[in-house]
Amino acid sequence: AQSVTQPDIHITVSEGASLELRCNYSYGATPYLFWYVQSPGQGLQLLLKYFSGDTLVQGIKGFEAEFKRSQSSFNLRKPSVHWSDAAEYFCAVGVTGGYNKLIFGAGTRLAVHP
Amino acid sequence: EAGVTQFPSHSVIEKGQTVTLRCDPISGHDNLYWYRRVMGKEIKFLLHFVKESKQDESGMPNNRFLAERTGGTYSTLKVQPAELEDSGVYFCASSQVIAGTGELFFGEGSRLTVL
Repeated sequence: AQSVTQPDIHITVSEGASLELRCNYSYGATPYLFWYVQSPGQGLQLLLKYFSGDTLVQGIKGFEAEFKRSQSSFNLRKPSVHWSDAAEYFCAVGVTGGYNKLIFGAGTRLAVHP
Repeated sequence: EAGVTQFPSHSVIEKGQTVTLRCDPISGHDNLYWYRRVMGKEIKFLLHFVKESKQDESGMPNNRFLAERTGGTYSTLKVQPAELEDSGVYFCASSQVIAGTGELFFGEGSRLTVL
């Protein structure tokens, strides 16, 4: 069955530290992969996506993610975290092609210490 | 340009009552989706409209849930009668490209609490 696993429910980092949020997926075909962020009081916002091509994708707000087919992973990274990055992050896989039907992970809540 | 708007932002009802959630997509977006997040778990797909037609309703949990999209504009999601397990945050999203390659824009969600 198709699924997305985000192993870390909560992560706390210090401002300026690097960040990596883990995401593993289970999907038989070529996946369409996404990372979304939800800040307090706001809707989900797309950070970045992978459809094909270069496996290292750049997104907004200085985030990047790397697709590793051999590991079924799509981890999100940021070299230096800002206090405004505190939010909940969701990894998702598109199972009918593109955005039309997304399967989300349970989310990782990020806290940033000054 | 206005984003995806959802109403109400929070609804508290008793078990057995009826609630109707409304979603206004971005103008011109033919695709409209409903998702639900139950208490800290995954966000789960409920259904997908293309204009006024249901393209995929495989995620609807049971027949207590009824979604409509009048004239291909706004959509409503009615829960009747509501049960405790229906509590959660209901997200609406819209996109422009029918093929599914257009970015999905989400609303802030409607939080439903069933007591």
